[in-house]
Amino acid sequence: QPVLTQPPSASASLGASVTLTCTLSSGYSNYKVDWYQQRPGKGPRFVMRVGTGGIVGSKGDGIPDRFSVLGSGLNRYLTIKNIQEEDESDYHCGTDYGSGSNFFWVFGGGTKLTVL
Amino acid sequence: QLQLQESGPGLVKPSETLSLTCTVSGDSISSSNHYWGWIRQPPGKGLEWIGSIYYSGSTYYNPSLKSRVTMSVDTSKSQFSLKMSAVTAADTAVYYCAESRPGDGYFGFWGQGRLVGVSS
Repeated sequence: QPVLTQPPSASASLGASVTLTCTLSSGYSNYKVDWYQQRPGKGPRFVMRVGTGGIVGSKGDGIPDRFSVLGSGLNRYLTIKNIQEEDESDYHCGTDYGSGSNFFWVFGGGTKLTVL
Repeated sequence: QLQLQESGPGLVKPSETLSLTCTVSGDSISSSNHYWGWIRQPPGKGLEWIGSIYYSGSTYYNPSLKSRVTMSVDTSKSQFSLKMSAVTAADTAVYYCAESRPGDGYFGFWGQGRLVGVSS
């Protein structure tokens, strides 16, 4: 099964940009990854899905244009431009795998983004 | 707009069974357009998928939890449920119910979460 690895923390100044990384384990370079935002004390919300060709499908409801994604090799990136205070959140990546009668979901450990 | 709401005891004793229910509104729980899932988050940690169920009753469980987990759907009440047996302190977490669509994969709608502690 794929393993997703995320750095535990990241920080960026108000108005700056930041790129968060989710790394798939070896052998899973063709997998798509989903990004979720979790504000303090709240449940996660879907941001968008990313493959090696970039965004897959549509962004989640209410996700601003400042959020974008890229995919390269085993890495899936979430970039936030012009960071706002409300972007301070935990960001999780996840993916589904398997097919037919057997499929599963896995998540990375999450990255805590601090806005300075 | 789909809405999900978790309910159930906030405290369970070690070795007993944790039981949670998720009430769905905004669409039929019997629709073939949805998988219904449970995801948990221990305090200060990341997300862990527990399992998902389809309207047909087909279930998909995390292999690491499969021996202790049972999920079911009650279409008459528009609810789906989670039972986890033989709980320990390691099962203390916020439990979320969530929805995903066949073919999409991602969890598009989430409940607000239910904190469940395991303690005597």
